[in-house]
Amino acid sequence: RKEVEQDPGPFNVPEGATVAFNCTYSNSASQSFFWYRQDCRKEPKLLMSVYSSGNEDGRFTAQLNRASQYISLLIRDSKLSDSATYLCVVNRGAAGNKLTFGGGTRVLVKP
Amino acid sequence: DGGITQSPKYLFRKEGQNVTLSCEQNLNHDAMYWYRQDPGQGLRLIYYSQIVNDFQKGDIAEGYSVSREKKESFPLTVTSAQKNPTAFYLCASSMDTRNQPQLFGDGTRLSIL
Repeated sequence: RKEVEQDPGPFNVPEGATVAFNCTYSNSASQSFFWYRQDCRKEPKLLMSVYSSGNEDGRFTAQLNRASQYISLLIRDSKLSDSATYLCVVNRGAAGNKLTFGGGTRVLVKP
Repeated sequence: DGGITQSPKYLFRKEGQNVTLSCEQNLNHDAMYWYRQDPGQGLRLIYYSQIVNDFQKGDIAEGYSVSREKKESFPLTVTSAQKNPTAFYLCASSMDTRNQPQLFGDGTRLSIL
């Protein structure tokens, strides 16, 4: 089993719609979780950290379920500019700050 | 502006040649990292450094070497022992405390001639 698993998609989303997708992780010692966004042939950019109580940043909402070991990302009112690959990132729980990256979920927002 | 600068943007390697990728940050971050990304794949950790003059192997260190002589610099050498070097190489840095996100440079694309 991969340490961090994501549905690769693509999720084809009409502009203005809501899309949500999950990521599962296998290391129960993981303590920090992030969503990054990566555009084609560009570097990953931090979208948001994921907190235990869930958190929202504008149109983006992230949730963490420690019992089932998954995190989720919901995008409301999708914009064309939201088209990207969304990377689920989990720390390894050991000393230091090593992260494990999922393979990404591709989202395509269409007019 | 604070950030991470990688150079060059594109690099071509001949057979048997070592090449060095540059990574510089002015964020005063303690920790720096090198990742490799292959098409359609996630990032894989090559090497990381939590402090000057110290570094550790990541998951795929074979065929690579690094140095950390200055806090702001963490160059990566792709040696001739790395038989499949074609990839997108990404440098990142973070505050060296757990639970900190990593910030990335804009990457170097390496290809074999």
